[in-house]
Amino acid sequence: DQQVKQNSPSLSVQEGRISILNCDYTNSMFDYFLWYKKYPAEGPTFLISISSIKDKNEDGRFTVFLNKSAKHLSLHIVPSQPGDSAVYFCAATTLYFGNEKLTFGTGTRLTIIP
Amino acid sequence: DAGVIQSPRHEVTEMGQEVTLRCKPISGHDYLFWYRQTMMRGLELLIYFNNNVPIDDSGMPEDRFSAKMPNASFSTLKIQPSEPRDSAVYFCASSRAGASGSGKQFFGPGTRLTVL
Repeated sequence: DQQVKQNSPSLSVQEGRISILNCDYTNSMFDYFLWYKKYPAEGPTFLISISSIKDKNEDGRFTVFLNKSAKHLSLHIVPSQPGDSAVYFCAATTLYFGNEKLTFGTGTRLTIIP
Repeated sequence: DAGVIQSPRHEVTEMGQEVTLRCKPISGHDYLFWYRQTMMRGLELLIYFNNNVPIDDSGMPEDRFSAKMPNASFSTLKIQPSEPRDSAVYFCASSRAGASGSGKQFFGPGTRLTVL
């Protein structure tokens, strides 16, 4: 049972345009969400996160939006660049002392077209 | 810092053979995680350790899988006997414990396992 779902396996976006990657979750106990980026032959690397007390977090070209009522989050990349081509994983956790366990989605492969 | 180190990077073996994957976490990190990546299930957590003690092994698929962490700088994931359906990329990750947990984990480059 996938508690974190990324329903789009792939996405292609023109360079310079906005990339929007989506993620849904089913576990209402999740209160902290992260996005990881993965290049081929490398491990995932942390990109951006958001706590459930916020509905938006921005870091440069990357913004994550959280809609708790819909149990949905999205990652916006503006403007998209060729170096953004990678697989993006959404992850979720419940923050309490001692818990470092993340639940990941299946990933979305983003391709930026020059 | 060298980051999380995994070996081997690639492993090709025949069904029934024993496979051992190795991981060296980042120094000072209290948590170590083993994940398996497949197309169908994405990144699945197999097991994680806190201060060398296994905390949650509910993701370990079968008794054929076992993991150990004899000290703070080394962990192994063993599959015995291996089967073709074990073919996947296996990642090791580590993180530093925080009072509320940050969720930020650092991943190694992975081991691509192929079982023929």
